[in-house]
Amino acid sequence: EDKVVQSPLSLVVHEGDTVTLNCSYEVTNFRSLLWYKQEKKAPTFLFMLTSSGIEKKSGRLSSILDKKELSSILNITATQTGDSAIYLCAVLIQGAQKLVFGQGTRLTINP
Amino acid sequence: AAGVIQSPRHLIKEKRETATLKCYPIPRHDTVYWYQQGPGQDPQFLISFYEKMQSDKGSIPDRFSAQQFSDYHSELNMSSLELGDSALYFCASSFGGAASNEQYFGPGTRLTVT
Repeated sequence: EDKVVQSPLSLVVHEGDTVTLNCSYEVTNFRSLLWYKQEKKAPTFLFMLTSSGIEKKSGRLSSILDKKELSSILNITATQTGDSAIYLCAVLIQGAQKLVFGQGTRLTINP
Repeated sequence: AAGVIQSPRHLIKEKRETATLKCYPIPRHDTVYWYQQGPGQDPQFLISFYEKMQSDKGSIPDRFSAQQFSDYHSELNMSSLELGDSALYFCASSFGGAASNEQYFGPGTRLTVT
């Protein structure tokens, strides 16, 4: 069974802190790993990672994939209250055309 | 096993024309998602439907509309097409709405606006 696990499930930090969110997967036929930010309802796409070891960066957010460890991390530096959201990790399965989501990490940034 | 079916697979339209993309989910799936992937870009979530009602809305332009029908198939209607609408449009389906953690993707419709 394809599985995506995120940790921690919940995280509360102060504004300005740096956070690292984890995603690990066990899937039959990996194609890509995606990170989303979900506020209220609609998810916002953050990164798609296909190759191991190549960091993707967007402002204060960055992410990297480790295919050997079957995992990915999402880093957010100098956090702001607007970063409060649920962060979802998903793995795209080759062939099955299937996207499997993790449970999400609920991140709360306190002022 | 049956997969998600999208039609047409390729579509060429001119600026300001209208296009309709169709998505037929896997049998018994009740949730449909639409994504747009521009050339060299990452996929963007557009909109989703659960049990024929809109469940989530992403970065869908006002020129686009979508609906899910009683047989659970969905159509994405795009009007006043612009060159920037040229993209691969994916449909995905799942069972159980937001509670599902698996989405099955269709092969996509490649829309080219000239």
